[in-house]
Amino acid sequence: GAVVSQHPSRVICKSGTSVKIECRSLDFQATTMFWYRQFPKKSLMLMATSNEGSKATYEQGVEKDKFLINHASLTLSTLTVTSAHPEDSSFYICSARRPGGGYTGELFFGEGSRLTVL
Amino acid sequence: KQEVTQIPAALSVPEGENLVLNCSFTDSAIYNLQWFRQDPGKGLTSLLLIQSSQREQTSGRLNASLDKSSGRSTLYIAASQPGDSATYLCAVPNYGGSQGNLIFGKGTKLSVKP
Repeated sequence: GAVVSQHPSRVICKSGTSVKIECRSLDFQATTMFWYRQFPKKSLMLMATSNEGSKATYEQGVEKDKFLINHASLTLSTLTVTSAHPEDSSFYICSARRPGGGYTGELFFGEGSRLTVL
Repeated sequence: KQEVTQIPAALSVPEGENLVLNCSFTDSAIYNLQWFRQDPGKGLTSLLLIQSSQREQTSGRLNASLDKSSGRSTLYIAASQPGDSATYLCAVPNYGGSQGNLIFGKGTKLSVKP
């Protein structure tokens, strides 16, 4: 069964509103979670690294005020798309690493969240 | 900078055929390589993880090989079935990146026709 769960799987919102996506590790504690964005026919693009209890690390070109990440517990990270616009429409996927493997352990991915901004 | 390439971008085969998907990476200093499956509109399902010290890993009808020195990995699918239709992604950890996030290829879209 899934070890990383994302919610919601699909969301449609009006331009200008904010949307929150949750990512939960179900059977392990994850000090680090990753948020990816997937464009059609493109590789998954890392947006940010979410660290429990500290600020997220954003990749170059990703607006931290636009994509707010909160990792308040060892099993939950949230991505909030603020003041969403149609160009933010995309597929967002989170992942978490099972502890014990250092930086090289297997990564598990959520089911993804399809955001459509009208 | 590590780059991952997958060939072909798309592949269509009749049911029952054996097939090979290819993945190459530019920096051979990898810890491991992971193969994923992605169904349309869904997240990623991990299929196989090969550590850098291993040559291959098997799971059911899937066999993944790794040749670090040449920067290549293959995913072999035996006796393909329509249910194998999906996009297959390979990925390697970003050696110098954000705490080991993965760098992905663009994927191979597989279609197995009954």
